[in-house]
Amino acid sequence: DTEVTQTPKHLVMGMTNKKSLKCEQHMGHRAMYWYKQKAKKPPELMFVYSYEKLSINESVPSRFSPECPNSSLLNLHLHALQPEDSALYLCASRDPGGPSYEQYFGPGTRLTVT
Amino acid sequence: GENVEQHPSTLSVQEGDSAVIKCTYSDSASNYFPWYKQELGKRPQLIIDIRSNVGEKKDQRIAVTLNKTAKHFSLHITETQPEDSAVYFCAATFEGGGADGLTFGKGTHLIIQP
Repeated sequence: DTEVTQTPKHLVMGMTNKKSLKCEQHMGHRAMYWYKQKAKKPPELMFVYSYEKLSINESVPSRFSPECPNSSLLNLHLHALQPEDSALYLCASRDPGGPSYEQYFGPGTRLTVT
Repeated sequence: GENVEQHPSTLSVQEGDSAVIKCTYSDSASNYFPWYKQELGKRPQLIIDIRSNVGEKKDQRIAVTLNKTAKHFSLHITETQPEDSAVYFCAATFEGGGADGLTFGKGTHLIIQP
């Protein structure tokens, strides 16, 4: 299995809701990432987990809360979001000890905050 | 942190002609430079990458060149085809065995005219 999966594909939420995005991979990759991509813009790094520990937080507001419960799963918990948080949220993974530096991207969750 | 500049923002070429996209980076410690292709509504897909110990890499119609001294790298696509139409992103990072995230350029919208 050489794929990163993300659920849900689409999510619409109000500013008072709490929701979670899920990312899963079974490639044995021990580095996992969250990126945010606004329309017609490049992906922007949000968080990096290395061996299930948060190693990078790019000054992301606390309304975004990442979690890595095991080596295959990555969650992004959302609470009290703003309309400007509407974007495509991409998960990626790679093998930090392997010969390839390639990051494998999931299909993304398209989030709309109303 | 790293800053990646990408030019041009839009590139229109005739089918069969070559296309060149250029990027510059700011952090001399960066040692990994991937190029991603993203079609509308889809995930970024790696098309080619290069490490700082190599000056050029080729894969069929696609090549990447790296000039470490000048801190710039370029994507070359020869014999362009309609299916090459997409947004292309360059990126840079330092890969030191950990799990650093990618810094992307702003993207180039490549249009192949039939």
